[in-house]
Amino acid sequence: GDSVTQMEGPVTLSEEAFLTINCTYTATGYPSLFWYVQYPGEGLQLLLKATKADDKGSNKGFEATYRKETTSFHLEKGSVQVSDSAVYFCALNQAGTALIFGKGTTLSVSS
Amino acid sequence: DAGVTQSPTHLIKTRGQQVTLRCSPKSGHDTVSWYQQALGQGPQFIFQYYEEEERQRGNFPDRFSGHQFPNYSSELNVNALLLGDSALYLCASSSGDGYGYTFGSGTRLTVV
Repeated sequence: GDSVTQMEGPVTLSEEAFLTINCTYTATGYPSLFWYVQYPGEGLQLLLKATKADDKGSNKGFEATYRKETTSFHLEKGSVQVSDSAVYFCALNQAGTALIFGKGTTLSVSS
Repeated sequence: DAGVTQSPTHLIKTRGQQVTLRCSPKSGHDTVSWYQQALGQGPQFIFQYYEEEERQRGNFPDRFSGHQFPNYSSELNVNALLLGDSALYLCASSSGDGYGYTFGSGTRLTVV
């Protein structure tokens, strides 16, 4: 079945550092890809999404490009802030079906 | 515009008991999905309701059941609670196309 694999965490960075969180997927067909963020004690918030190959999703300085040839959707940010500290989840779904999540990557940013 | 509302926010139950969690979807959404998130893990899909019917189900035992009402709100019921059922239960609503999910803040269930 479809699945998502994320890099193991935690990721610890200093403020203004460059961030990359790797995500690869296995799926039949052409899934949509998502990044969600979860702050402590809260539910999930959609960070960005891409629905077809070569699409770039972006939001709040975060970007990810849907790479069908490498089945990847890596999350990047050029300069992280302390407020970006959270757990990040990569996810996919096919039309009309449930979201399938990776295990999550914890990001900790220090000042 | 209210998003997804879940209740209660926290509860503690004893092993063997039954629990009901509730979810009100975002306005305009007609599909509700439930997820279980164990500590340090990603959310695992339990089931999805659309037009008051279970449309899709994940790999969860029959102890987990649900219901959707005509106003699109939903309940998740778990019978014969086990210690391993302790988790954050998330409700997500969408408009049926399967792409625009909105999540609630979750219900933290602790089984003792």
